[in-house]
Amino acid sequence: NAGVTQTPKFQVLKTGQSMTLQCAQDMNHEYMSWYRQDPGMGLRLIHYSVGAGITDQGEVPNGYNVSRSTTEDFPLRLLSAAPSQTSVYFCASSWGQTNTEAFFGQGTRLTVV
Amino acid sequence: DAKTTQPNSMESNEEEPVHLPCNHSTISGTDYIHWYRQLPSQGPEYVIHGLTSNVNNRMASLAIAEDRKSSTLILHRATLRDAAVYYCILVPSGSARQLTFGSGTQLTVLP
Repeated sequence: NAGVTQTPKFQVLKTGQSMTLQCAQDMNHEYMSWYRQDPGMGLRLIHYSVGAGITDQGEVPNGYNVSRSTTEDFPLRLLSAAPSQTSVYFCASSWGQTNTEAFFGQGTRLTVV
Repeated sequence: DAKTTQPNSMESNEEEPVHLPCNHSTISGTDYIHWYRQLPSQGPEYVIHGLTSNVNNRMASLAIAEDRKSSTLILHRATLRDAAVYYCILVPSGSARQLTFGSGTQLTVLP
C-alpha cells in the first residue's frame, strides 16, 4: 500500500518557468490538499479538494492552480515560478470525517532561482 | 478559528515519559483535538486525536482537560526516534479536513 506519493522529490526551476507537482493516493480518500512549508515554520494550506471535480482555495493560493479529475490524483501547478515559491510542498489525503487521520506524502523540495 | 498555544521547545531524556502541553482556550464544543508530528525531512505523521475523553493508542496517550481548554500528549517512554516537531491542531467538526498548523513544539530527546 503506497499511501500518498509525491513526485518529484526535488526540483530546481528558473524564475518564470512553470511546472506541475504530482500527488497520488491509493486509499480512495475523498479529501486531498496541498500545503507549503517554509523554513522553521508550520505548514500552510494552498488548495484543497473535497472530491473529484471540486476544489477550493486555502490560506496561500496565489500563484498556484489545482484540478481534481480523478479521486486518486491532485496535481499542483505553478504558473510562473517566483523565488518566493521556494519551499517544501506536501500533499495530504483523508476521509471526509473530522475524526479520522490525514496521511501526508514525503514532500517535494522546490527551489526557484 | 480557534487557535492553539504550544511551547517552542522541550527536552526529554531517553526512556523517560514526556508530557507535551497544548492550550486551546477558545475551543468550541465540536472541535476535535488532533496531534501530528514531523520528523526531520519528512511529512507530518498522525499521532492521536480526541474529542472529550482521554485516548490511548500504540504511539501515545492524549489527556484532555475536563473543560477542554487544554490537552497533553503523553509519550510514555521517549526514544531517539521521537525527536520531532509536535503539532496540536483543532479540527472543526464538519470542516473540509483542512489542518491549520502552528509552529509546534520541537522535542529533543537526549541519550
